[in-house]
Amino acid sequence: EVQLVESGGGLVQPGGSLRLSCVASGFIFSNYSMNWVRQGPGKGLQWISYISRDSSAIYYTDSEKGRFTISRDNAKSSLYLQMNSLRDEDTAVYYCARGPPYSGYDRWGQGTLVIVSS
Amino acid sequence: SYELTQPLSVSVALGQTVRITCEGYNIGNKNVHWYQQKPGQAPVLVIYRDTNRPSGIPERFSGSNSGNTAALTISRAQAADEADYYCQLWDSGTGVFGGGTKLTVL
Repeated sequence: EVQLVESGGGLVQPGGSLRLSCVASGFIFSNYSMNWVRQGPGKGLQWISYISRDSSAIYYTDSEKGRFTISRDNAKSSLYLQMNSLRDEDTAVYYCARGPPYSGYDRWGQGTLVIVSS
Repeated sequence: SYELTQPLSVSVALGQTVRITCEGYNIGNKNVHWYQQKPGQAPVLVIYRDTNRPSGIPERFSGSNSGNTAALTISRAQAADEADYYCQLWDSGTGVFGGGTKLTVL
């Protein structure tokens, strides 16, 4: 069974940092590009970042360039999101999602909640 | 940056057909995907590349895309279809989601 399990969320003060992880199982992780998508409380979905199968191509939403860093470790079937200089508006559920740019995201994790608050 | 516009809410009577639209400039030239999200759950892909259904998605779900409007059509609506629906595409190195449409089944 294909599974994506996020972790690393929690309460952090403004200006702080967090590193989210997403562990994949049930498929060959290195064969798939991956994404991070977030959803603020009561809000819609927002795409954050994309990484290709071999990490050769990486993209970010304009608003997060320079603060967030996506990476992956294919040997560990894991995807990461390093988030720095966190702001109140970064409060959201963060999902990892499997899929290339032009074919949709066919598998999602259950999400990990990040709360930025003093 | 590219923008996608969806109606905030749509309603449909049980057993009837509903169409949820997603508007964007020349969207017909892009690959559009649709997701269903129920409260407290992760999104589920219901249509990819305009018209394709992933395995396990009922035939009642269909998609179209032309000109400046993409659409998700749900036939014979069921109570279980009540959810938020999001369109999404990839444009110039960026993933873009529509604002979402809340579907109410009456």
